[in-house]
Amino acid sequence: RKEVEQDPGPFNVPEGATVAFNCTYSNSASQSFFWYRQDCRKEPKLLMSVYSSGNEDGRFTAQLNRASQYISLLIRDSKLSDSATYLCVASGNTPLVFGKGTRLSVIA
Amino acid sequence: EAGVTQFPSHSVIEKGQTVTLRCDPISGHDNLYWYRRVMGKEIKFLLHFVKESKQDESGMPNNRFLAERTGGTYSTLKVQPAELEDSGVYFCASSRTGGFNEQFFGPGTRLTVL
Repeated sequence: RKEVEQDPGPFNVPEGATVAFNCTYSNSASQSFFWYRQDCRKEPKLLMSVYSSGNEDGRFTAQLNRASQYISLLIRDSKLSDSATYLCVASGNTPLVFGKGTRLSVIA
Repeated sequence: EAGVTQFPSHSVIEKGQTVTLRCDPISGHDNLYWYRRVMGKEIKFLLHFVKESKQDESGMPNNRFLAERTGGTYSTLKVQPAELEDSGVYFCASSRTGGFNEQFFGPGTRLTVL
């Protein structure tokens, strides 16, 4: 079983749509959680950290459910520029453990 | 503030040759990490430096890989001798000590072993 599992997609959505990504992690000792965004042939860029109480940053909302070992990312009012691969990340002490990513294409 | 930089951006070498990758972390970041993504797989951790000391090298695939961070500033990752399966993108990341372990990535070095 993969340590961090994500639906690979692709998710093809029209501009303005709301899209949700889900992710599960297997290591119950994980302490820190993140969503990274990766554009084609670029480095992962930190999108947001995921806090236990859930957190929001503009159009993006992240949720964490420790009991179910489940992380989610909600993107509202999708823009063309949101097209990318979204990487779910869990972390114990320091190494980040990445999922394979979910590809999003926002279509005009 | 300058981000993490890596050199070279691309390297194409033949099996058996040696390659050295370099990473310059964000100034003031004591933590430096190496990760690798091989085609079709997720990004995987290789090792972690705190200043000049190796904190965790559990992800290093074998003894053909040697990482150093002399002086606690930039780091090098040497692959000697390179094998076909070493092809992939090697990312370096850095973070501050403490906090929420937010790591910032460099642009990566795309290594192709022929």
